[in-house]
Amino acid sequence: KQEVTQIPAALSVPEGENLVLNCSFTDSAIYNLQWFRQDPGKGLTSLLLIQSSQREQTSGRLNASLDKSSGRSTLYIAASQPGDSATYLCAVSMEYGNKLVFGAGTILRVKS
Amino acid sequence: GAGVSQSPSNKVTEKGKDVELRCDPISGHTALYWYRQRLGQGLEFLIYFQGNSAPDKSGLPSDRFSAERTGESVSTLTIQRTQQEDSAVYLCASSSQGTSGTVQFFGPGTRLTVL
Repeated sequence: KQEVTQIPAALSVPEGENLVLNCSFTDSAIYNLQWFRQDPGKGLTSLLLIQSSQREQTSGRLNASLDKSSGRSTLYIAASQPGDSATYLCAVSMEYGNKLVFGAGTILRVKS
Repeated sequence: GAGVSQSPSNKVTEKGKDVELRCDPISGHTALYWYRQRLGQGLEFLIYFQGNSAPDKSGLPSDRFSAERTGESVSTLTIQRTQQEDSAVYLCASSSQGTSGTVQFFGPGTRLTVL
């Protein structure tokens, strides 16, 4: 059974700092991996999707890497801003178009 | 519509009552998913619809839970004889299953409180 773990559970940083969120999964036979952000009272917003054949994806200040063989992904956020404060979720899919298995999330607070 | 919509946004019910939650996916999306997020916990998969194929019901926690989808449109999640442990945010997502990958787009969720 696939299990996804995210570390740290919570993180508080001053504005402008670069930071790394970690995600690990127990079964490396994934189809893809997604990073989402969740704001209080709102649904999830997809940030980055990495196919199993890819090593990384970038969008603006966000960079996600994938090391499938070791079962790890990291989300790098550059020059953090207070608007980045949210819960960040990592999720993996084992088959094309199939259900996502989520980690418990990292709660990020960026202080101004 | 522009995104996935869900209704109601909040639902308070008494233990033992039945509830229906509705999801309107993004137009043209063939895949639809239901997830549950209990307080302080991660999202749990409930059920997945893909076109006319038989749904994947492997995440439904008990036979009190059921879901339907008409074609590639609206879906309803029904919980019968609700229990307090059913209190959670129920999230719906849809995806296009196209060449752009399988990004799932989520609705805002329905917060269910069972008293």
